[in-house]
Amino acid sequence: GENVEQHPSTLSVQEGDSAVIKCTYSDSASNYFPWYKQELGKGPQLIIDIRSNVGEKKDQRIAVTLNKTAKHFSLHITETQPEDSAVYFCAASTDSSASKIIFGSGTRLSIRP
Amino acid sequence: GAGVSQTPSNKVTEKGKYVELRCDPISGHTALYWYRQSLGQGPEFLIYFQGTGAADDSGLPNDRFFAVRPEGSVSTLKIQRTERGDSAVYLCASSLGVAGGQGTQYFGPGTRLLVL
Repeated sequence: GENVEQHPSTLSVQEGDSAVIKCTYSDSASNYFPWYKQELGKGPQLIIDIRSNVGEKKDQRIAVTLNKTAKHFSLHITETQPEDSAVYFCAASTDSSASKIIFGSGTRLSIRP
Repeated sequence: GAGVSQTPSNKVTEKGKYVELRCDPISGHTALYWYRQSLGQGPEFLIYFQGTGAADDSGLPNDRFFAVRPEGSVSTLKIQRTERGDSAVYLCASSLGVAGGQGTQYFGPGTRLLVL
């Protein structure tokens, strides 16, 4: 089955700097890659997603890149702000089983003022 | 509109007891999912409903876990003979459908279960 690995597990960046979180997946059939942000005591919130027919997607300060050949995908947050502090999860699934999303183990992002 | 809601928000029980966790999906969403999240880990898939039927229950850890969705809306996750290892946050999510853009899953706040 699918396995998603995520790193780093913790990341601390200065406010205003960029943060990058990287993930790899194992199942070449995976073609949908969502990213979730989870704040303390809350459920995960979808922040951006990408499908395998595109290599990059951007939404304001957030961008995601996908390298299908290498089975890598990454989240980039620019101009970080204190409210970006949270745990971020990458995930993967296939359209045929969009029911089952396989999550990475999470990255705790801290923004230093 | 209202998001996914889960009740109770916290549940403390004793080993061996039976618990029920409830999920109210977003109105109009046909698919509903249950995940379990242990401390410091990502959510792990348990079961998924399309309408009233369980389309995939491959993530349920054993036969002590069972879930229903009798009218295709609200779902209940039931855990029998709870064990300390069942302590976790149980997350529910719903999606409009399952194909393409309709499969985006929206999560509730979770139920924090503690088995003493």
